[in-house]
Amino acid sequence: DTGVSQNPRHKITKRGQNVTFRCDPISEHNRLYWYRQTLGQGPEFLTYFQNEAQLEKSRLLSDRFSAERPKGSFSTLEIQRTEQGDSAMYLCASSLGFQTGRDGYTFGSGTRLTVV
Amino acid sequence: QQPVQSPQAVILREGEDAVINCSSSKALYSVHWYRQKHGEAPVFLMILLKGGEQKGHEKISASFNEKKQQSSLYLTASQLSYSGTYFCGTGATDSWGKFQFGAGTQVVVTP
Repeated sequence: DTGVSQNPRHKITKRGQNVTFRCDPISEHNRLYWYRQTLGQGPEFLTYFQNEAQLEKSRLLSDRFSAERPKGSFSTLEIQRTEQGDSAMYLCASSLGFQTGRDGYTFGSGTRLTVV
Repeated sequence: QQPVQSPQAVILREGEDAVINCSSSKALYSVHWYRQKHGEAPVFLMILLKGGEQKGHEKISASFNEKKQQSSLYLTASQLSYSGTYFCGTGATDSWGKFQFGAGTQVVVTP
C-alpha cells in the first residue's frame, strides 16, 4: 500500500492553457474524490467516482472542468482554458466505499496549480 | 452546504485541553475529523456515525449529536504533535457519499 499518489506535485501554467492532473488511489479503494483547497480554507468538493462511474459533480464546477476514471483505477482531472481563479491545491482522496460514510478518506499530497 | 467550525484558531500550552465544534444546517449520517499539518495532506483521525457514538484516537476523542447536527472534537492533555489545522467533514442525508468540509480550526500547541 503506497497511499494515494498525485502527479504532478506542482504545475505553473499560463492563463488560457489546459492542464491535466493524475491521481492513483489505493488499489483496493472503490471511491475516488477530487477536492480543491485554497489557502486558509477547507477542501471544497469537486466530484467523486464509485469505480468508473462519476456519481456527483459540484455545481461550482464549470464546464471547463472534467474528470475521468477509466476502468475504475486512476483518475484524471482536466481544466480547460485556465483562469487565475483556478489557482489552488487540488487534492485527490480515496476510500473503500463499501459502506458510505463508514470509512475515512486517504488523501494524496495534492497538485498545486498556479495560473499566471 | 459547508459545515461551520468554531473557534477559528486556538493556542494551547502543552497539557491543556481544547474543544473544537462543527455544526451543520443539514441532517447528517456521518462526521469525519481530519488533521492537516502545514504543507501536508489532511490525515484521517476518526469517524462518527448516527447514534451519538463517541470515538477516540490517542487522547483525541469526539462526539456526534445527530439531533443538533453537531460534532465536537476534544483534545485532552494536548501534545506538541497535536498542532495543525483540524477539519470536520460532514455527510448529509440528502447528498449521499459527498462530504463537505469546514473551513478548519488552527491549533497551536506551545511548550
